Amino acid sequence: DTAVSQTPKYLVTQMGNDKSIKCEQNLGHDTMYWYKQDSKKFLKIMFSYNNKELIINETVPNRFSPKSPDKAHLNLHINSLELGDSAVYFCASSPGVSNSPLHFGNGTRLTVT
Amino acid sequence: GEDVEQSLFLSVREGDSSVINCTYTDSSSTYLYWYKQEPGAGLQLLTYIFSNMDMKQDQRLTVLLNKKDKHLSLRIADTQTGDSAIYFCAEIGTGFQKLVFGTGTRLLVSP
Repeated sequence: DTAVSQTPKYLVTQMGNDKSIKCEQNLGHDTMYWYKQDSKKFLKIMFSYNNKELIINETVPNRFSPKSPDKAHLNLHINSLELGDSAVYFCASSPGVSNSPLHFGNGTRLTVT
Repeated sequence: GEDVEQSLFLSVREGDSSVINCTYTDSSSTYLYWYKQEPGAGLQLLTYIFSNMDMKQDQRLTVLLNKKDKHLSLRIADTQTGDSAIYFCAEIGTGFQKLVFGTGTRLLVSP
């Protein structure tokens, strides 16, 4: 299936831990993103990479570090997790040409206790 | 900066039409999108409209755009219980491929 896939789907961890979320797309897209959806369902962009280069960083704490080993993968590593990091994190990709729609993964629900 | 607003809730009866409204502030928006999110799922692209269009129809979905008032609406004809979900409008804001989402409208369709 052609898709944007994220793992894990659920992640429960304690404050202070370090965790990673992985994302892969097999759509041949050049641009990948991380979005955060809070408990009120607000969606906000965190990062965007184009061909492995960071192009958007929306004042996210530096505990969050995206890594793009190749243009099909964009992983999100989070250090020293805090309660406020609890959210659903969505990965997305797009062809990268102007105004092309984003294709989203199914999300990773992160719960920090 | 970009700001996209939607009403939070809409409740309709099965078979009625639903109209979900959205206002945005970025006058440089060129494409506007509607996404659907079902419980526990990701975001599914429903439709989109280019800013030089006033209307786009796609089966039961009609998108209306008033660029002067920066107002976008999504009409769902013959709404079904399976249409119950959160609907997000989104615009391409300033900058490279940065999709800015509205606050989402939770549509509840009752039998």
